[in-house]
This record gives sequence, C-alpha cells and structure tokens, in this order.
Amino acid sequence: QQQVKQSPQSLIVQKGGISIINCAYENTAFDYFPWYQQFPGKGPALLIAIRPDVSEKKEGRFTISFNKSAKQFSLHIMDSQPGDSATYFCAASRGSSNTGKLIFGQGTTLQVKP
Amino acid sequence: NAGVTQTPKFRVLKTGQSMTLLCAQDMNHEYMYWYRQDPGMGLRLIHYSVGEGTTAKGEVPDGYNVSRLKKQNFLLGLESAAPSQTSVYFCASSGNWATNVLTFGAGSRLTVL
Repeated sequence: QQQVKQSPQSLIVQKGGISIINCAYENTAFDYFPWYQQFPGKGPALLIAIRPDVSEKKEGRFTISFNKSAKQFSLHIMDSQPGDSATYFCAASRGSSNTGKLIFGQGTTLQVKP
Repeated sequence: NAGVTQTPKFRVLKTGQSMTLLCAQDMNHEYMYWYRQDPGMGLRLIHYSVGEGTTAKGEVPDGYNVSRLKKQNFLLGLESAAPSQTSVYFCASSGNWATNVLTFGAGSRLTVL
C-alpha cells in the first residue's frame, strides 16, 4: 500500500528545459509535503516544502504546485541545469501524529543533459 | 559539525548472521528514524524514535530491532539477516516534529549473501 505515488521513475531533460515531477497521495490527513534531493552516494536533503494552505511555493528555480482537491502536488524545476541531476523524492506527513515521520514516494532520477 | 553519522558505511553479511548499524547525531535532536532505500521503492520507514528510551514501528519493521538508550544514538539491529534485507539504510534525525526537516546520514550499504 503506497500512500504517496510518484512519477515518472526517470526523467531526461535538456539543459535550460523544465523538469516536472508529480506526486499523488491518499491520506487527506497529510498536511506537510516536502521534496528531498539526493545526489549519488549522499543522503537526501530537504529542497523545498509546502503546506496545504497555499497552492504554490517558489524558491529560486524550484516551484511546488499543490492541488488539494485532486490530492496531487508537483515539483517544477525551471531552467534545469546539469547540476540538478539527482534523485528527487516527494514525501508527506501528518502533523497531528506528533511523530514527524515522513512517508516518501518512489523517487525520480533526473538527468539534465548539457 | 558532523550532523548525522552512520557506521559502518559498507557491510557484507551471510544469511543468518547478525549485525548492528549505528547512527549518531550531534544536533541534540529528539526524533530519529531508520529508512531503507531500494530501487523503485523509494525510502521506507523501518523504525523511529520520538525521544530517548522510546521506539516505534514504521512501515517495514519485520526482521529489524532498534534501541535508543542515549538521545544521540539510534541503533538498528538485524538478528538473522536475509537476502531481502540487502539495501541501503539511511538514518535521519529531526529536532521538531512540526517543522519536519529531516537531516540524513550518508547511508550504510548492506549486502546479504
């Protein structure tokens, strides 16, 4: 039972293009949706996060779009660069649980070609 | 300035052997987590702890045990390793359940033959 479903599994984008990764969740109690970035041989690190009281959050070239009614959220990487090549994970958590535990999606491997 | 440190980084076991992975954090974080990462499966929560002396099961706890005797350490044990436990294991910690920013270690790659 995968509570957070992520797609695509892999993505190849040309330098300067837009990378889009999508996630869907099932549990309507989720109230925190972060994206983590992982480079080879490293642990994941927080990239950007959103709460359901807003529909969009932008930090530099990275934007999260959130659709509460559809239970979907996505990561957009504008002007993609070779340095963005990494694995990206979406995640969700339920704040009322007081545990901080995150449920992750399956991951997307992004390759940005120069 | 170490953050989250995992030892060992690599380990090869034979089926049935036991071992312990150690996670240490120097940020005085209350919350600690063990995840495993497998291709196409993402990161799955094995066990977690919300404070010293506490542990709880995550999504895939079977075959693993954990202990949090000291606030800074979170140990993951495999009593009788199986090939299905071949994976990369990540430890993470968080200082605040509300903000939920997890700091991850660099991972421990375990191979069970």
